[in-house]
Amino acid sequence: GIQVEQSPPDLILQEGANSTLRCNFSDSVNNLQWFHQNPWGQLINLFYIPSGTKQNGRLSATTVATERYSLLYISSSQTTDSGVYFCAVGEAGGTSYGKLTFGQGTILTVHP
Amino acid sequence: NAGVMQNPRHLVRRRGQEARLRCSPMKGHSHVYWYRQLPEEGLKFMVYLQKENIIDESGMPKERFSAEFPKEGPSILRIQQVVRGDSAAYFCASSPGTGGARSYGYTFGSGTRLTVV
Repeated sequence: GIQVEQSPPDLILQEGANSTLRCNFSDSVNNLQWFHQNPWGQLINLFYIPSGTKQNGRLSATTVATERYSLLYISSSQTTDSGVYFCAVGEAGGTSYGKLTFGQGTILTVHP
Repeated sequence: NAGVMQNPRHLVRRRGQEARLRCSPMKGHSHVYWYRQLPEEGLKFMVYLQKENIIDESGMPKERFSAEFPKEGPSILRIQQVVRGDSAAYFCASSPGTGGARSYGYTFGSGTRLTVV
């Protein structure tokens, strides 16, 4: 099956700093989503981005499908950004286009 | 417009009992997915359902686990004869989707934390 690797595994920032999270995947995808799991365990969909670039406030994401990676940018980080960020992909040509494979996540801690 | 509703939020079962987890998708969503998150691990796909159909159950353990999404009512994930290793957070997600189309973004529920004692 498809492999998903996220880096860095842990990231500690001061409030106001910028950061870039990376997601590498081993095969072609037709679905890529970024999620934030907050300290209470809730999963929030940030972006559906199998290709191209999207922005939503202080967050933006870029997926270069031909090179098999995606980047999540967080600007002017806030303490509420803390949590785990997951990249999840759906393998192109898979028998189940709804199935996502998750990376292990990046644990982000933002200090005031 | 309520999101994906999961209940109960927390469930405690003794070894050997049955656990039933419920998921009501967002209004207008016809696709439901179940994922399991073990402690200190990422999320693992379990099963993908549409109304009255199991589309992909490749992530379901072969025994004791079953899922359904009936014509009326919520999707149910059922675990029979629970063991300590079943303790985990179980998340349900839903999405709209048309036949043959690519997947859309998921909306996750808040999860059910199952503890087996």
